[in-house]
Amino acid sequence: NAGVTQTPKFRILKIGQSMTLQCAQDMNHNYMYWYRQDPGMGLKLIYYSVGAGITDKGEVPNGYNVSRSTTEDFPLRLELAAPSQTSVYFCASSRGYTGELFFGEGSRLTVL
Amino acid sequence: QQQVKQSPQSLIVQKGGISIINCAYENTAFDYFPWYQQFPGKGPALLIAIRPDVSEKKEGRFTISFNKSAKQFSLHIMDSQPGDSATYFCAAYDSGYSTLTFGKGTMLLVSP
Repeated sequence: NAGVTQTPKFRILKIGQSMTLQCAQDMNHNYMYWYRQDPGMGLKLIYYSVGAGITDKGEVPNGYNVSRSTTEDFPLRLELAAPSQTSVYFCASSRGYTGELFFGEGSRLTVL
Repeated sequence: QQQVKQSPQSLIVQKGGISIINCAYENTAFDYFPWYQQFPGKGPALLIAIRPDVSEKKEGRFTISFNKSAKQFSLHIMDSQPGDSATYFCAAYDSGYSTLTFGKGTMLLVSP
């Protein structure tokens, strides 16, 4: 039972490059989320989805894009990477209508 | 902007002592208040949660106290153990928007 799987775990990008962080869950959860975690700042919501084909912006969406073509997958796209996007990114899922989120182990991204 | 304020930022407690972390919120639409525990290199995991119609919830050594009128809630860890050393996040869930807002976290160190 894998839960929420994120890839890659680590990545270094140059300024201006683009990349996609992958997230997959095998719990048949409708709700999926992307958060970023910066030291001392907690977790901030980037985008979320309440089902396939439905996405919405969170608190800090600028510089990111998402898509949700299946229930299982929720990739996060970074366009034109900037140093301010250096962070640890967490994907999470839930059954919905509850604050019980199941998190992946994170993807650490460094933009140089 | 929805906010959850958490204090202290860090906490050192002796083994066997009581750890107390406090949170306050502003948005009365929040309807579920979970606490998450995060170990280094891992994603956050749900520890304990409470709904606003309950003033206290206890699970083992962990207790949430909730004061709806003051819009405050706290986590008490009784008989703190070195294995409790982790970062703790309070959070508040708005089921209307299906989003979870986190506090900035408290790094707890339990000294042997």
